[in-house]
Amino acid sequence: SQQGEEDPQALSIQEGENATMNCSYKTSINNLQWYRQNSGRGLVHLILIRSNEREKHSGRLRVTLDTSKKSSSLLITASRAADTASYFCATSQSGGYNKLIFGAGTRLAVHP
Amino acid sequence: DAGVIQSPRHEVTEMGQEVTLRCKPISGHNSLFWYRQTMMRGLELLIYFNNNVPIDDSGMPEDRFSAKMPNASFSTLKIQPSEPRDSAVYFCASSFVGGSNEQFFGPGTRLTVL
Repeated sequence: SQQGEEDPQALSIQEGENATMNCSYKTSINNLQWYRQNSGRGLVHLILIRSNEREKHSGRLRVTLDTSKKSSSLLITASRAADTASYFCATSQSGGYNKLIFGAGTRLAVHP
Repeated sequence: DAGVIQSPRHEVTEMGQEVTLRCKPISGHNSLFWYRQTMMRGLELLIYFNNNVPIDDSGMPEDRFSAKMPNASFSTLKIQPSEPRDSAVYFCASSFVGGSNEQFFGPGTRLTVL
């Protein structure tokens, strides 16, 4: 069964706007990661947030984690057409040998 | 580093044929994962290895699927016999347990079973 569930399933915005994607999960985690997948390619790691962290930044990316609500959000600021991709959250549980459980993903389209 | 290498990139075969997918993980990584991605089911973890030993194969759909990792630099995923419902993109990923915990994905093998 899937651990992470992304919301929305699809998001369409204009260049320069911010994009927010949400992820909910069901069980306790060690960390939560966000990945990006361009069409026809493998997934690429974007950012990792540990269970004892609440917010993390990397360039135009901002990730928040609320363990009490079992949810996370990924914010991409000042979006660009090149940000068009699918974005997945993935959760890592303790003792999991780095095993990740991926959600269904959010398809983001950024229009010039 | 060349990253995770998968071959072939595309495979078209007929139902009933044996299919073998190959993966070379990043040198120094000690965990290897096989995933399957379809529109209907999303990204599914099939099996993962730690130090060449299969740890969890609960995601392998049925006995037609098998995976091996004879050494730290090579793994195979075999489907025998293949069926049309096996059509999907198969990804291999590797990571280092005790490191940053992120997984590095290969480019995938797009399998079409006619």
